Amino acid sequence: QKEVEQDPGPLSVPEGAIVSLNCTYSNSAFQYFMWYRQYSRKGPELLMYTYSSGNKEDGRFTAQVDKSSKYISLFIRDSQPSDSATYLCASGKGADGLTFGKGTHLIIQP
Amino acid sequence: DADVTQTPRNRITKTGKRIMLECSQTKGHDRMYWYRQDPGLGLRLIYYSFDVKDINKGEISDGYSVSRQAQAKFSLSLESAIPNQTALYFCATSDSLRTSGNEQYFGPGTRLTVT
Repeated sequence: QKEVEQDPGPLSVPEGAIVSLNCTYSNSAFQYFMWYRQYSRKGPELLMYTYSSGNKEDGRFTAQVDKSSKYISLFIRDSQPSDSATYLCASGKGADGLTFGKGTHLIIQP
Repeated sequence: DADVTQTPRNRITKTGKRIMLECSQTKGHDRMYWYRQDPGLGLRLIYYSFDVKDINKGEISDGYSVSRQAQAKFSLSLESAIPNQTALYFCATSDSLRTSGNEQYFGPGTRLTVT
């Protein structure tokens, strides 16, 4: 079992919908949680970063972490076609490298 | 200009050849990482470095070596390339002075094909 599990999708939603992307993790030592967005043939781009349980909001994006259930979520409000990409969740501890989920391919239909 | 650059961006090489992938950064970060990305497997850590004298193996270091020539430069070598090393390779950096954690910033990637 991978330490970070993520449904690869694809997830297809109409423009304007609220998108919910989710991951679970198994390593209780993980201290911080990130979401990256990756467009085709590009490098991952850091979207959101959280260090504790709870919500963090940035514009149309909200990251949510529940450490008790080891559940990580990313919500996208008012989704746009430009949000179509692969979304990667990642977790880590200390200065070690990140452990990534496989990524969810998101398609926003105009 | 990009903060994290990787060269080459694309490379096709033959089995058994030695190849070096290079990463440079202007972010002033001290930590640097190498990952590979494969379809269906996600990103996996190969090596990471906290400074010029501190190199650490990651999850999948076999068949790879690295060199940290300077704080801003971190190279990945495949001593004798094999076809299952065909993948997308990414370099990433982070800043130890950030007290909150280990936010990593990625380069554009190198697409390597071993025939």
